Amino acid sequence: DIVMTQAPLSVSVTPGESASISCRSSKSLLHSNGITYVYWYLQKPGKSPQLLIYRMSNLASGVPDRFSGSGSETDFTLKISRVEAEDVGIYYCGQLLENPYTFGAGTKLELK
Amino acid sequence: EVKLVESGGGLVQPGRSLKLSCAASGFSFNDYWMGWVRQAPGKGLEWIGEINQDSSTINYTPSLKDKFTISRDNAQNTLYLQMSKLGSEDTAIYYCARAPYWGQGVMVTVSS
Repeated sequence: DIVMTQAPLSVSVTPGESASISCRSSKSLLHSNGITYVYWYLQKPGKSPQLLIYRMSNLASGVPDRFSGSGSETDFTLKISRVEAEDVGIYYCGQLLENPYTFGAGTKLELK
Repeated sequence: EVKLVESGGGLVQPGRSLKLSCAASGFSFNDYWMGWVRQAPGKGLEWIGEINQDSSTINYTPSLKDKFTISRDNAQNTLYLQMSKLGSEDTAIYYCARAPYWGQGVMVTVSS
């Protein structure tokens, strides 16, 4: 199985500042079709995970453009610029390239 | 808009079986692979498996394949998860997925 490793496990951010979360996969997530199958989700307290970024760098519908995704074949970054109170929760990266799909352990974002 | 609504959860005794349903709407159900994900309380995300459009291919996370059976009814736009020989370790929120989109989830509690 592909292992997804996130860092840090938690981050504390001052509102208005930026935050970055890293994710590393144990195998390249770049498909031969040129698409990198890494996804980012945010799970707000008491809610189901909501899609933020799909295929490494594409913003999901309705997601503020303060969120952005980037990376290479195995190293990925979610950046949140101008963090707001509504961004609090647990962020997960996941790979949808190969069964079984797998996810990172999550990064908890809190406000200072 | 993709809408996935799970049902059938609740309290079940250890060793018993339970069948979850997922009603899909907002897209052409029979054009997509569908799957299930679960999340134990306070834990991360675990992919259970997925089924293709005509049910000819079903992939499971190897460690879970003996416990779960995924099926679908394209005429009813409904996905199912049959769970057997449940144990306390199966206590979780179960999410229906049309990757990368997920439903709101349904809670399953295994306890005597």
